[in-house]
Amino acid sequence: GNSVTQMEGPVTLSEEAFLTINCTYTATGYPSLFWYVQYPGEGLQLLLKATKADDKGSNKGFEATYRKETTSFHLEKGSVQVSDSAVYFCALYVFGNEKLTFGTGTRLTIIP
Amino acid sequence: DAGVIQSPRHEVTEMGQEVTLRCKPISGHNSLFWYRQTMMRGLELLIYFNNNVPIDDSGMPEDRFSAKMPNASFSTLKIQPSEPRDSAVYFCASSFGTEITYNEQFFGPGTRLTVL
Repeated sequence: GNSVTQMEGPVTLSEEAFLTINCTYTATGYPSLFWYVQYPGEGLQLLLKATKADDKGSNKGFEATYRKETTSFHLEKGSVQVSDSAVYFCALYVFGNEKLTFGTGTRLTIIP
Repeated sequence: DAGVIQSPRHEVTEMGQEVTLRCKPISGHNSLFWYRQTMMRGLELLIYFNNNVPIDDSGMPEDRFSAKMPNASFSTLKIQPSEPRDSAVYFCASSFGTEITYNEQFFGPGTRLTVL
């Protein structure tokens, strides 16, 4: 079956620190990969995506590269801000199935 | 566009009562998803519809849960009778789905349910 394993949180960083949130996956097909973000009191929203190997998704200073050889899609940002405090979910989608498979989420807190 | 609309935003009820959660998807979207989020189990897909037809309800926890989509602009998730362990945040999401490519799911703000 399909599954996503995320780095356990919570993660606490100081403002302007470098961020990495690890994500690895297993999939029966050739998945598309996503990072969703959930800000406090809100629903999830798509942050970035990559649909094939070696693609890099990017948005709002965040980046993630689809690594087929390591089945990974790690989220990175060079300099985090307080406004980045949220829960981050890694997810995958396999062709022919409408369902997204989500990881457990990683809570990120940025301290000024 | 107003986005996905859910009501109520908060619901507090007593064990044994019936609870109905409502969702209005984004106009033009043809897929609708109900999720449940808890600290212990994370984000779980309960059921999803395509063109108003339930496609996969394998995530519905038990017979106390039921979901309907009578038309393209409205869906309900009902819990009867409710139990304290049903306390969670319930999200509705919609997308314009095809089998060819992934289409982004847009999430509503959620309904926070507390069963006493």
